Amino acid sequence: DAKTTQPTSMDCAEGRAANLPCNHSTISGNEYVYWYRQIHSQGPQYIIHGLKNNETNEMASLIITEDRKSSTLILPHATLRDTAVYYCIVPTNDYKLSFGAGTTVTVRA
Amino acid sequence: DAGITQSPRYKITETGRQVTLMCHQTWSHSYMFWYRQDLGHGLRLIYYSAAADITDKGEVPDGYVVSRSKTENFPLTLESATRSQTSVYFCASSALYSKSSYNEQFFGPGTRLTVL
Repeated sequence: DAKTTQPTSMDCAEGRAANLPCNHSTISGNEYVYWYRQIHSQGPQYIIHGLKNNETNEMASLIITEDRKSSTLILPHATLRDTAVYYCIVPTNDYKLSFGAGTTVTVRA
Repeated sequence: DAGITQSPRYKITETGRQVTLMCHQTWSHSYMFWYRQDLGHGLRLIYYSAAADITDKGEVPDGYVVSRSKTENFPLTLESATRSQTSVYFCASSALYSKSSYNEQFFGPGTRLTVL
C-alpha cells in the first residue's frame, strides 16, 4: 500500500467542522484514497473514497489535491458520536486494506 | 438477521487449546477477510478469501487456519492458541465488483479473545 501519514490526534468542538489531513505522496495514478473510522470497541466503518475529484456523501466530504499527494476528510458538523479513530488508506489492491495508527479524533461539547 | 455476524463475541481459552472463531455474512459477498487488532494498534490482515474454496495469506497468518466451504461462512481456527494471539478479531466482507470500482468492506462486531 502507498504509505499514508496522519496526525496522531486532534480535538474538535461539537458543531464545528473537523478537517482531517492525510499525506500519501507515493500514491500512483490508479490508486484510490479510502477513509474508514472505528468507534471505540466496534468494527471499522467505511466513510468515503475518491480517486481525483472531490467527493461528498451523507457522512463527509473528501478533498484531494490536484497532485493527489494529500487529501482532507471533512466532517462538516462534528457531533460527539463522531469521536473515533479515522484511518486514511491507499490500498494497492482494492480488497486488501492496510490500517495504520490513524488519527484519534475527540469531539468535545 | 441481515449483515455480518461473529461468534462468539467473547472467548477465554488456555494456551495450547484449539479455538475456532465464526464469521457469517448474508450478502453473498465474494470476498471475506480476517483481521486482528491488538490493544492500541491498527488492524492487521490475517487471511482473506476471494470465493468459496479460495483463500490466501495476509500479513500475519502464522498460527491460524481458515476454510471457506460456503460463500457465507469464513471460520478462523487457532490450532494451538498462544498468549500472543490474545487480541480482538474482526471479520469483514466485500462485494468487490472490480479493482477500479468502489469496494467497501463491511466489518463484523469483533470477537475479543483472551488466551491465558
